[in-house]
Amino acid sequence: QKEVEQNSGPLSVPEGAIASLNCTYSDRGSQSFFWYRQYSGKSPELIMSIYSNGDKEDGRFTAQLNKASQYVSLLIRDSQPSDSATYLCAVDNSGGSNYKLTFGKGTLLTVNP
Amino acid sequence: GAGVSQTPSNKVTEKGKYVELRCDPISGHTALYWYRQSLGQGPEFLIYFQGTGAADDSGLPNDRFFAVRPEGSVSTLKIQRTERGDSAVYLCASSLMGGTAYGYTFGSGTRLTVV
Repeated sequence: QKEVEQNSGPLSVPEGAIASLNCTYSDRGSQSFFWYRQYSGKSPELIMSIYSNGDKEDGRFTAQLNKASQYVSLLIRDSQPSDSATYLCAVDNSGGSNYKLTFGKGTLLTVNP
Repeated sequence: GAGVSQTPSNKVTEKGKYVELRCDPISGHTALYWYRQSLGQGPEFLIYFQGTGAADDSGLPNDRFFAVRPEGSVSTLKIQRTERGDSAVYLCASSLMGGTAYGYTFGSGTRLTVV
């Protein structure tokens, strides 16, 4: 069973701090990795994708990938109360089914003003 | 349309009844996906359409679940003899082509409650 593991949280950070969200995955053949943000009662929204080892930055968000360790992380700099949401890590499936994503349960982030 | 549209947004049904959930993808997107999200869980894959055909229905839980996409655009997820365990948010997503590299755009979901 291919698994994606996340700390369910809640993770609480003060406004302006760096929030660090982590994810591990079991399928060593996975090639595509995503972070989705989900506000309460809303659907998931894609915020970052990463495909190569290393860091990828987009505004206040940085995704980090280490395929050897099967580890993906998301850093949010200068956290804002509007960043308060559940963050879902998603990983594609190897073996030809590269259209299918396996999601973690999500980490609830709370940014305190 | 501008986004993925799902109807109804909420559906309450009695155990044993039949329900249909509709998804209207972004215009021109050939790939369409159905996922199910239970409370406190991440979305779980149900089925993937490429055009009119179901390329992968391995995530459908059992034969009470069925989905169609007859003209390669709108899709309907059908659930027969609903059970309380079917209660969840059903999410539809579409992408320009198949493959996760193109990213998913999710609709707002249908919250199904079986009482």
